[in-house]
Amino acid sequence: GAGVSQSPSNKVTEKGKDVELRCDPISGHTALYWYRQRLGQGLEFLIYFQGNSAPDKSGLPSDRFSAERTGESVSTLTIQRTQQEDSAVYLCASSKGLSNSYEQYFGPGTRLTVT
Amino acid sequence: GQNIDQPTEMTATEGAIVQINCTYQTSGFNGLFWYQQHAGEAPTFLSYNVLDGLEEKGRFSSFLSRSKGYSYLLLKELQMKDSASYLCAVRDLAGGSYIPTFGRGTSLIVHP
Repeated sequence: GAGVSQSPSNKVTEKGKDVELRCDPISGHTALYWYRQRLGQGLEFLIYFQGNSAPDKSGLPSDRFSAERTGESVSTLTIQRTQQEDSAVYLCASSKGLSNSYEQYFGPGTRLTVT
Repeated sequence: GQNIDQPTEMTATEGAIVQINCTYQTSGFNGLFWYQQHAGEAPTFLSYNVLDGLEEKGRFSSFLSRSKGYSYLLLKELQMKDSASYLCAVRDLAGGSYIPTFGRGTSLIVHP
């Protein structure tokens, strides 16, 4: 079956521009996560959606970052006024829900380069 | 945070066995995950431990000791394709969140 998909796969933008990244989770997965991975670093949690509950935004690094999710489907991560330190791979993951053992299925990521 | 610690890099020989350690500090431990990430690709799930002991799955096994805050991933009969980064992730409910925190990963290089 289809996995998690993300678009675009690569994005190069100029400093100060806004970017929008898209994630399509696996159908039926109620939980959706966004992570950031800088070169040679681990995964940094950004935001989490679970069903119709209020999202957990505790990982967003600044108010330039925001995300939305339509029901239990597509999510978009928006970065306003991009800075060079925003350059990273942005990974989206989905899981069946909050149960302890539910593993996360990751998308291929969007590589963002801010020049 | 969960203070997850893994070695940065390890090397091993094809056909050998390698053990990748992960130590963590939590006050509300609720599960530990191992993921494999090949260069330029997304992480893929390998194992989940929530109780002490060894979970075996083919050539890969994962061990957990909750009292020691310690886990390891054991890879047997290493193959060249096992060259990848291995990520340890821990769920700590102390902060009221179910979201696992990831370590920086261990880059494993398998050579002939």
